[in-house]
Amino acid sequence: DAKTTQPPSMDCAEGRAANLPCNHSTISGNEYVYWYRQIHSQGPQYIIHGLKNNETNEMASLIITEDRKSSTLILPHATLRDTAVYYCIVILRNSGNTPLVFGKGTRLSVIA
Amino acid sequence: IAGITQAPTSQILAAGRRMTLRCTQDMRHNAMYWYRQDLGLGLRLIHYSNTAGTTGKGEVPDGYSVSRANTDDFPLTLASAVPSQTSVYFCASSVVRGTEAFFGQGTRLTVV
Repeated sequence: DAKTTQPPSMDCAEGRAANLPCNHSTISGNEYVYWYRQIHSQGPQYIIHGLKNNETNEMASLIITEDRKSSTLILPHATLRDTAVYYCIVILRNSGNTPLVFGKGTRLSVIA
Repeated sequence: IAGITQAPTSQILAAGRRMTLRCTQDMRHNAMYWYRQDLGLGLRLIHYSNTAGTTGKGEVPDGYSVSRANTDDFPLTLASAVPSQTSVYFCASSVVRGTEAFFGQGTRLTVV
């Protein structure tokens, strides 16, 4: 599976958009980009995933570059409750041999 | 709506004792996982199961065993606990391995 690189930490003002980058330059053609987050002391929470097209759901938007070597998770109006560690993971979807391996992620602090 | 349930929530255990962490899901997911999370080391996969009756080793399987007798339950056993197994343990499940995973709230285990 492709490796991902994320900044260790970011700050965002409450109410502003939080843009979390992820580099996955070795991604292969059939690997998906997944994002999870972990709020302090809780289990990780699935946010969104995509292959090549931009995706949006009630939580966030995922923008994947045309060459698929990087992506950005966007929280359009960050709140204090969005303070968490965000993990970008690249995996083969629906593969019985795909481990879900978490890196260090980005610690997002939303500031009032 | 239960989703995925872990028990106990927390436990203090004497070194050398046997302990089983319980995990139950009601989503009829085929794949289940056990992770441990230690400060500064992130989430590490201990064992996984692609379907009932099968199990596999993750990144850090030593000292742990699992079984998957049915779809819903995936217990994790520490045969003889050691202080280095002090950690927060998360159970997760997904429809199949390589799709969105849903996590329990964790078990905080302290081995003294």
